[in-house]
Amino acid sequence: DADVTQTPRNRITKTGKRIMLECSQTKGHDRMYWYRQDPGLGLQLIYYSFDVKDINKGEISDGYSVSRQAQAKFSLSLESAIPNQTALYFCATSDLGRGGELFFGEGSRLTVL
Amino acid sequence: GDSVTQMEGPVTLSEEAFLTINCTYTATGYPSLFWYVQYPGEGLQLLLKATKADDKGSNKGFEATYRKETTSFHLEKGSVQVSDSAVYFCALTFGSSNTGKLIFGQGTTLQVKP
Repeated sequence: DADVTQTPRNRITKTGKRIMLECSQTKGHDRMYWYRQDPGLGLQLIYYSFDVKDINKGEISDGYSVSRQAQAKFSLSLESAIPNQTALYFCATSDLGRGGELFFGEGSRLTVL
Repeated sequence: GDSVTQMEGPVTLSEEAFLTINCTYTATGYPSLFWYVQYPGEGLQLLLKATKADDKGSNKGFEATYRKETTSFHLEKGSVQVSDSAVYFCALTFGSSNTGKLIFGQGTTLQVKP
């Protein structure tokens, strides 16, 4: 089983719908991240969390919200999805002692029509 | 601000050819540098890293040397295989004492033909 699991892996929805992407990890890491990948733009940070009570905005947080339900769970929500949020979303974790290495889930592909 | 720039892709090579993917960075301090690889349908995984100037990271036949004087971290492999076909991302971070977040380049797609 993967150490970082994302659900759903694929989702098609309509403009205005609320969407939640979930991430769970078994690595025991405190730090969790949500990134968005668009072709030709690399990965951009949406939100990150150092523990359950510490959540921070990344570069492109507008239109998104997150919830850190437990050390192992970090969810990303789109309250009212719009077409330009169509992208591949990645959850990642890191350990303070690993010098910056991130461990990624397999991604959630979201299409907003 | 801090940023990473990679060479444009896609890069198409024949099997056993030599590979170079250029990466340069702009940073106000002394970052750690990484190469991540994304195989089709998968998430990113760490390929190699270097934490200080002149360090060489290596893994699976790939190498990259941290060059502070040219602010570069170019990825090289002497003989590519079809299985190396993937998207390669250069990235930097300022380490675990900071936010730990990575700044990524735009990615370079490598296609290796038999």
